[in-house]
Amino acid sequence: KQEVTQIPAALSVPEGENLVLNCSFTDSAIYNLQWFRQDPGKGLTSLLLIQSSQREQTSGRLNASLDKSSGRSTLYIAASQPGDSATYLCAVRPFSNAGNNRKLIWGLGTSLAVNP
Amino acid sequence: DAGITQSPRHKVTETGTPVTLRCHQTENHRYMYWYRQDPGHGLRLIHYSYGVKDTDKGEVSDGYSVSRSKTEDFLLTLESATSSQTSVYFCAISEAGLGTTDTQYFGPGTRLTVL
Repeated sequence: KQEVTQIPAALSVPEGENLVLNCSFTDSAIYNLQWFRQDPGKGLTSLLLIQSSQREQTSGRLNASLDKSSGRSTLYIAASQPGDSATYLCAVRPFSNAGNNRKLIWGLGTSLAVNP
Repeated sequence: DAGITQSPRHKVTETGTPVTLRCHQTENHRYMYWYRQDPGHGLRLIHYSYGVKDTDKGEVSDGYSVSRSKTEDFLLTLESATSSQTSVYFCAISEAGLGTTDTQYFGPGTRLTVL
């Protein structure tokens, strides 16, 4: 059974620091992996989606990598800002969820605080 | 932002009453999802739809039913609300077909309190 883990559960860093958030999954048979951001009291916003055939995706100061063989993904945030403070979640779509079954397996998220 | 609205945004109800939450999209996406989010449990899928009148259960479907009579609307009904269904409910949508991805786009959420 696919499981997704995000460690640490919470992280506090000073502004300007480059940081890495981790996501691990137990089964490498996945279609893709997604990273989301959630601000307090808000819905989730998709940040990056990496297909299983890809190694990384970039958007602005964000870079997400995928290593299926080790069951890991990292979200790299460059030059962090207080506005990056949020909870970051990752989710995978396993091969077992094929066809019309688009269900995702979710991690519990990492709560990030960037201090001015 | 994807055009997804949820109504109501907040609701307080009493145990034993039926409750219906509505998700409306303007993106014409095929897939729609209902999640609940609770501290310590993260996001859990309740039901999802892969087309008009086509729905399937998620991991926490007991006590919930759904209907999708139009592409744009996905309704979640709590048949007889219980305190354990106090939660924040999110609707999400995603596309289907060649050239699309599995990216899910989320609505703003509905905070439901069952007294």
